[in-house]
Amino acid sequence: ELKVEQNPLFLSMQEGKNYTIYCNYSTTSDRLYWYRQDPGKSLESLFVLLSNGAVKQEGRLMASLDTKARLSTLHITAAVHDLSATYFCALSQVGGSQGNLIFGKGTKLSVKP
Amino acid sequence: ETGVTQSPTHLIKTRGQQVTLRCSSQSGHNTVSWYQQALGQGPQFIFQYYREEENGRGNFPPRFSGLQFPNYSSELNVNALELDDSALYLCASSSPGQGAHGYTFGSGTRLTVV
Repeated sequence: ELKVEQNPLFLSMQEGKNYTIYCNYSTTSDRLYWYRQDPGKSLESLFVLLSNGAVKQEGRLMASLDTKARLSTLHITAAVHDLSATYFCALSQVGGSQGNLIFGKGTKLSVKP
Repeated sequence: ETGVTQSPTHLIKTRGQQVTLRCSSQSGHNTVSWYQQALGQGPQFIFQYYREEENGRGNFPPRFSGLQFPNYSSELNVNALELDDSALYLCASSSPGQGAHGYTFGSGTRLTVV
């Protein structure tokens, strides 16, 4: 059974600082997703990582995937207040139905001035 | 291109009642998945529909049921509501192969069971 663990679950950062969110998973998966969720809102797709060594960047966020270590990271560079949100990683199970994503518990990020 | 829309946005029901939530898929998407997100948790997969047939189900009891219509819109029905059913219910749509680019989520229905 695929399990997804994120850490930290809560992260308070100062503006301008760098930090990394970690996503570990227990079994082989063929794709990994990162989502952002603002309070009371839906999920916004940030990145989809498909292969070992994949790295994607958008603005101050960079995601990477190491399938051998079963680890993905979401790196935040020079944080700004607008990045405050909850970030989820999610994976699809190999052999499972396409829409069956297994989510981590999320990392609640708060960026303070 | 229209997004995924869900209705209603908020709903309050009494324990034991039944509820129907609705989702209109993004244009061109023939697959819809439903998720339950309890407060402070990640979304949990309920089930998926593809071309009007259930195509995968998570660890939810049979009182959670669904339908997909020929226009690919979808309903989630929950019978005999329990307090623990209080959550944000999200639907996500996709088209074949679009999973490689991520799923499009609706804005959700916030269900409160009292």
